[in-house]
Amino acid sequence: DVKVTQSSRYLVKRTGEKVFLECVQDMDHENMFWYRQDPGLGLRLIYFSYDVKMKEKGDIPEGYSVSREKKERFSLILESASTNQTSMYLCASIGLVAGGTEAFFGQGTRLTVV
Amino acid sequence: ELKVEQNPLFLSMQEGKNYTIYCNYSTTSDRLYWYRQDPGKSLESLFVLLSNGAVKQEGRLMASLDTKARLSTLHITAAVHDLSATYFCAVGTGTASKLTFGTGTRLQVTL
Repeated sequence: DVKVTQSSRYLVKRTGEKVFLECVQDMDHENMFWYRQDPGLGLRLIYFSYDVKMKEKGDIPEGYSVSREKKERFSLILESASTNQTSMYLCASIGLVAGGTEAFFGQGTRLTVV
Repeated sequence: ELKVEQNPLFLSMQEGKNYTIYCNYSTTSDRLYWYRQDPGKSLESLFVLLSNGAVKQEGRLMASLDTKARLSTLHITAAVHDLSATYFCAVGTGTASKLTFGTGTRLQVTL
């Protein structure tokens, strides 16, 4: 089974803290993604990475950065957490399956910034 | 900028009824994905549609893709309560298979 594992299910952080969200996949996929999910807005892409040390901005990168030092691990960093970053964060890994590509999602991290 | 629109946003239906969820997108793509999400859970892959005219069925759900119309549909046949969830479509673009999601359709099946 493909496994995408996010380090925390729930996090509570204070405004101004630096926050690290970790994601690990075990399928040797090259493409990994970070999304945030908010009610009524669906999933919005923050950053993605198509190779080690390679990254590209998604649709809403402001206030975030990422790190991909190893193929299996993709980290999302909130440089200085703010209350508007309270959200559900989902990591995805995309790889080839029969007939095309498919995205596999982690279990999500619900982050609350107080 | 790619836009993906789903409708309806909310759907309440009785068990045994049929209904269709629509997913329109604004740019050319030949990869369309449907996901299911239960409350508090992550996304579960339902269908991957990779070509014009593709149709896939699993149980009471059937998905189709019309790339010329830039439209995908998710048809629900004889709904049951267990299908209550939020359903998302997503369009894949680029070599990295970046996914752009619709806003989701929250389906509630009542007894």
